[in-house]
Amino acid sequence: QSALTQPASVSGSPGQSITISCTGTSSDVGSYNLVSWYQLHPGKAPKLMIYEGSKRPSGVSNRFSGSKSGNTASLTISGLQAEDEADYYCCSYAGSSTWVFGGGTKLTVL
Amino acid sequence: QLQLQESGPGLVKPSETLSLTCTVSGGSISSSSYYWGWIRQPPEKGLEWLGSIYYSGGTYYNPSLKSRVTISVDTSKNQFSLKLSSVTAADTAVYYCARLVTAMVTFDYWGQGTLVTVSS
Repeated sequence: QSALTQPASVSGSPGQSITISCTGTSSDVGSYNLVSWYQLHPGKAPKLMIYEGSKRPSGVSNRFSGSKSGNTASLTISGLQAEDEADYYCCSYAGSSTWVFGGGTKLTVL
Repeated sequence: QLQLQESGPGLVKPSETLSLTCTVSGGSISSSSYYWGWIRQPPEKGLEWLGSIYYSGGTYYNPSLKSRVTISVDTSKNQFSLKLSSVTAADTAVYYCARLVTAMVTFDYWGQGTLVTVSS
């Protein structure tokens, strides 16, 4: 069970769109449409942004969207805002009631 | 509003057992709709799922840590706990507890996390 691969960092200017990729294998991301995305701000509880690949929990802005192609899932944030600056982690169901997370991506809003 | 709060020693000696408790408030740990999990984040590293437990006691563990991890539940106190044995400096991390929604197959509520340092 290896960690999912995410870019270490991405950046964008306010109003722009960015995409964070999350690459797994045919045993996790590729087998299940069960990728979640979490937003982490220092000292705060992680926040669920996307689940089941593309669904948004109540209260999450529609500027956040998720998708998947093959073994790679993606999180897109449109209309970047300063408050979006945070670390983002993907997580995939990996079968047999186990989960695997990504290494995290630091988003900087320029 | 559901809240989860981790508690336990912030410093553990190498080779000893790390013990943490997660107290759930604003909801029942005995609901059939949820599992409860532990996730950690070592400094400058990514998140790692450690294991999950159902209110009836059924458990699932990360295969890479299975021999050292034990998760238990106390429904009378609305708490679940983590024990990690034979710790080393590599187990230094922020430890989070979280609720796993079975219908959504995702961790929807998390605690704020607690830093545990392994050092003599």
